Amino acid sequence: DAGVTQSPTHLIKTRGQQVTLRCSPKSGHDTVSWYQQALGQGPQFIFQYYEEEERQRGNFPDRFSGHQFPNYSSELNVNALLLGDSALYLCASSSGTGVRETQYFGPGTRLLVL
Amino acid sequence: TQLLEQSPQFLSIQEGENLTVYCNSSSVFSSLQWYRQEPGEGPVLLVTVVTGGEVKKLKRLTFQFGDARKDSSLHITAAQPGDTGLYLCAGLKEYNFNKFYFGSGTKLNVKP
Repeated sequence: DAGVTQSPTHLIKTRGQQVTLRCSPKSGHDTVSWYQQALGQGPQFIFQYYEEEERQRGNFPDRFSGHQFPNYSSELNVNALLLGDSALYLCASSSGTGVRETQYFGPGTRLLVL
Repeated sequence: TQLLEQSPQFLSIQEGENLTVYCNSSSVFSSLQWYRQEPGEGPVLLVTVVTGGEVKKLKRLTFQFGDARKDSSLHITAAQPGDTGLYLCAGLKEYNFNKFYFGSGTKLNVKP
């Protein structure tokens, strides 16, 4: 049973460019969340997708957008990249609701903006 | 402002020592999770605690959820170099949908 997978593993972009990151959730999981993690910090919630719609969003600008496909895989798009967007982008999938909801994380995509 | 504060931020100890990591908040959580993250990898779930006062043990790791469900601690007995990593706590709040809030992490280095 494959866990959460993300691609690419590393990416280098320049300021002003656009980037698309991809995530395939764990088998059977229908909810995908995206997080941004700066070096040595905890993950910051970007948004969550369920049934192909953005269900909730963290405190990130509209430059960050996403999509979920019918097979539950997801994309994170970032436009007009800034130096401060350099971070590890984590995708987490989960299923079910309630207090025992568990998130499983992918290995992340390391984005460097020059 | 971080909803969950972890302390200490950094911890460097010798193999065999004991340590405790704290995760504190003024807010009540429905449950709390602990993760360990190694460089270049995503966080890996260690445990979920749900009930106030709950204590869970995972080999040399002991996790406790505060009675008021506002804080938690992770205690490691006889630390080993393999315990090295970033330890993250994450609290769950139930709104219309569940939302997880992460602490800033405790970076542990266990020297052989």
